[in-house]
Amino acid sequence: EPEVTQTPSHQVTQMGQEVILRCVPISNHLYFYWYRQILGQKVEFLVSFYNNEISEKSEIFDDQFSVERPDGSNFTLKIRSTKLEDSAMYFCASSEPGGLATNEKLFFGSGTQLSVL
Amino acid sequence: RKEVEQDPGPFNVPEGATVAFNCTYSNSASQSFFWYRQDCRKEPKLLMSVYSSGNEDGRFTAQLNRASQYISLLIRDSKLSDSATYLCVVNTNSGGYQKVTFGTGTKLQVIP
Repeated sequence: EPEVTQTPSHQVTQMGQEVILRCVPISNHLYFYWYRQILGQKVEFLVSFYNNEISEKSEIFDDQFSVERPDGSNFTLKIRSTKLEDSAMYFCASSEPGGLATNEKLFFGSGTQLSVL
Repeated sequence: RKEVEQDPGPFNVPEGATVAFNCTYSNSASQSFFWYRQDCRKEPKLLMSVYSSGNEDGRFTAQLNRASQYISLLIRDSKLSDSATYLCVVNTNSGGYQKVTFGTGTKLQVIP
């Protein structure tokens, strides 16, 4: 069964450092997402990406964050200067090419646990 | 009012019990609804979609009440392996794109 893969599974970094979280969405999916979940809290939307551009972003996704699809398979989330409060599990997700279909299901990767020290 | 609201629980139920979770949503224009399951420190996984007519998948039954803007999940004959957090997810078409909003989740603990 096709799956979304994320690397690394754990990332430890110093405050102020840049990190890049990597994701390989399911190959025929066209919509890509990043979510984060701070320990003990809800899953929060960060950004959605379609047709090589951001389609929507939340207030969390400020200038410190950026996304990129550098080639046909990878989808990355970059945090330019990490803060302590960026520590969270970051989930990548993709959904089927349903366009504006109303029943898009999200397929999640297993997440990258980011710890900012 | 929160966009998607759930009772965080925990719901502690004995094996074999029936348990129900509710979820309310604030945007009446929301179009599609799902229940996801999340195990501790794992990714959310789709449990089932929720259809207007209600739908069943084995021991799981989902219902949607658009008038009252809530969805429900019923689990019959609870198993130990059902212990997890159940996430209510609502899709809304926002400016031509899908906006996917998660509830905080309801924690279920099935006790032997």
